[in-house]
Amino acid sequence: EPEVTQTPSHQVTQMGQEVILRCVPISNHLYFYWYRQILGQKVEFLVSFYNNEISEKSEIFDDQFSVERPDGSNFTLKIRSTKLEDSAMYFCASRLALAGELFFGEGSRLTVL
Amino acid sequence: TQLLEQSPQFLSIQEGENLTVYCNSSSVFSSLQWYRQEPGEGPVLLVTVVTGGEVKKLKRLTFQFGDARKDSSLHITAAQPGDTGLYLCAGEVGSARQLTFGSGTQLTVLP
Repeated sequence: EPEVTQTPSHQVTQMGQEVILRCVPISNHLYFYWYRQILGQKVEFLVSFYNNEISEKSEIFDDQFSVERPDGSNFTLKIRSTKLEDSAMYFCASRLALAGELFFGEGSRLTVL
Repeated sequence: TQLLEQSPQFLSIQEGENLTVYCNSSSVFSSLQWYRQEPGEGPVLLVTVVTGGEVKKLKRLTFQFGDARKDSSLHITAAQPGDTGLYLCAGEVGSARQLTFGSGTQLTVLP
């Protein structure tokens, strides 16, 4: 069964360092999303991406964050200068169509020290 | 901001009991989705409800969407230990139909 895959599963970094989280969405999907879940809190929307551009972003997705689909298969989330409060589980998700089912990856746990 | 409130936050019951989880909002949603999330994994879609008053059944799980499309409930009949997990409701918002999630209900079914 096709699935969304994310790497790394867990990353520990020092505050101020750049982090890139990688996602391989399901191959024929067109809509891509990043969500995050701080421990003990709600899953929160960060950004959506379609047709090689950001379609929606939340207030969390500030200038420290960027997304890219560099090669037609990977979908990356970059945090330019990590802060302690960026520690969270980051989930990538994709869907074939806006009305289609959203499939989530297993997440990348980011720990900022 | 469209908020979804879930209740109860935690629920621990014995195998065989019935339970209901609620998801409420002051906002109208075009659709509501229910997910189940296991530790260390991403949410997995259980069902999407679209029409006000709609009822959907998935084996022992019954999902209902309120008439005004502001609230939803998940009822589990004869709960089993395998039903243990975090149940999340989520509503679609925005042009990208991104999800706004509820805070979740952590269900534990004891054998």
